[in-house]
Amino acid sequence: DARVTQTPRDKVTEMGQEVTMRCQPILGHNTVFWYRQTMMQGLELLAYFRNRAPLDDSGMPKDRFSAEMPDATLATLKIQPSEPRDSAVYFCASGLVLGPESHNEQFFGPGTRLTVL
Amino acid sequence: RKEVEQDPGPFNVPEGATVAFNCTYSNSASQSFFWYRQDCRKEPKLLMSVYSSGNEDGRFTAQLNRASQYISLLIRDSKLSDSATYLCAAYTGRRALTFGSGTRLQVQP
Repeated sequence: DARVTQTPRDKVTEMGQEVTMRCQPILGHNTVFWYRQTMMQGLELLAYFRNRAPLDDSGMPKDRFSAEMPDATLATLKIQPSEPRDSAVYFCASGLVLGPESHNEQFFGPGTRLTVL
Repeated sequence: RKEVEQDPGPFNVPEGATVAFNCTYSNSASQSFFWYRQDCRKEPKLLMSVYSSGNEDGRFTAQLNRASQYISLLIRDSKLSDSATYLCAAYTGRRALTFGSGTRLQVQP
């Protein structure tokens, strides 16, 4: 049963510390998304990649957040320095997009619950 | 105005009832639509995809009304296990999903 995996599942850190979240997309999927979910804002798109190239990171605070795909099996989201307002659940999702007519279904990982004190 | 809007609920219904949720979208160029189910402290899970006028899967029916720019989700014969938050999503011009804030359903015995 193919699924997206994320590590760590929970992270508690202090303000100012660096946080790195990792995601392994479903094998064969060519698109990876990072979302953040809070009670107030709901699910927000932070960034996404297709074939490892960043397509849109306009939802991400550029000064402290960075997203990369070192290879096809690993996506990372880094926050440096972290702040209490970054506390949220961060989801990674992956999908297979083959062209303009692709159905664009996305499958989510279990998320990383981040608490910044 | 948000790109995708949902009534947050909660919808409290008895077991066996039929319940329907609506979701409106503002971008008329949106082509694909999805319903996800999210349980408390879990990830969203894809429930149904809607590409043309509608889709049916067992007790669940999704319909798309392009003229009025909304999609609906109908759940027949509600089960206790259907209790969850239902998220609507649409593909907008950025080629990524935009989610609504979700509708909470509580099915009661």
